[in-house]
Amino acid sequence: DQQVKQNSPSLSVQEGRISILNCDYTNSMFDYFLWYKKYPAEGPTFLISISSIKDKNEDGRFTVFLNKSAKHLSLHIVPSQPGDSAVYFCAASVYVSSGTYKYIFGTGTRLKVLA
Amino acid sequence: ETGVTQSPTHLIKTRGQQVTLRCSSQSGHNTVSWYQQALGQGPQFIFQYYREEENGRGNFPPRFSGLQFPNYSSELNVNALELDDSALYLCASSLRYRSLYNEQFFGPGTRLTVL
Repeated sequence: DQQVKQNSPSLSVQEGRISILNCDYTNSMFDYFLWYKKYPAEGPTFLISISSIKDKNEDGRFTVFLNKSAKHLSLHIVPSQPGDSAVYFCAASVYVSSGTYKYIFGTGTRLKVLA
Repeated sequence: ETGVTQSPTHLIKTRGQQVTLRCSSQSGHNTVSWYQQALGQGPQFIFQYYREEENGRGNFPPRFSGLQFPNYSSELNVNALELDDSALYLCASSLRYRSLYNEQFFGPGTRLTVL
């Protein structure tokens, strides 16, 4: 039961263009969504988040859009840079109990930005 | 401020053996979560520790157990290893109640191979 899905395993984009990474979820009770970036041999690093009460959050070159009716979120990177090449994970934060939150991750999208 | 560290980096075990993985939290963080990332998958939540007690568990059998120490460092123990336990094990630390979703900071992981 994959509650968070990233249907594109990989994406190639030319440097300077826009990268759009997509994520779908099934549980309408999720209240926070996050994007993490992962380089080889490193742990995932936090990129940007969005609350379920918002539909957009922007941080520099990174913007996350949330469409609750479609249970869909996307990460836009503009302009894309070669250093953005990594695996990107979408995650939903789920309240477990008394202050405990767990993350439910998608399977990741490998972004390659071509110079 | 030191980040999350994990040891060892790599480990090879045989089926039926037991393994202990270690994690040091980011300075000031009091909560540790463990995740298993199988090849081609996103990280999956194993459990979380706060105040030296397990506080939330994912869909993993009891042979996965953990400890948290007074200095907030943590261990993940896996007994009776199976071939499917081969994965990258990620530790994430956070500061409980810091935010609505308890932003988690990940270590680089321990790559476990079970033969």
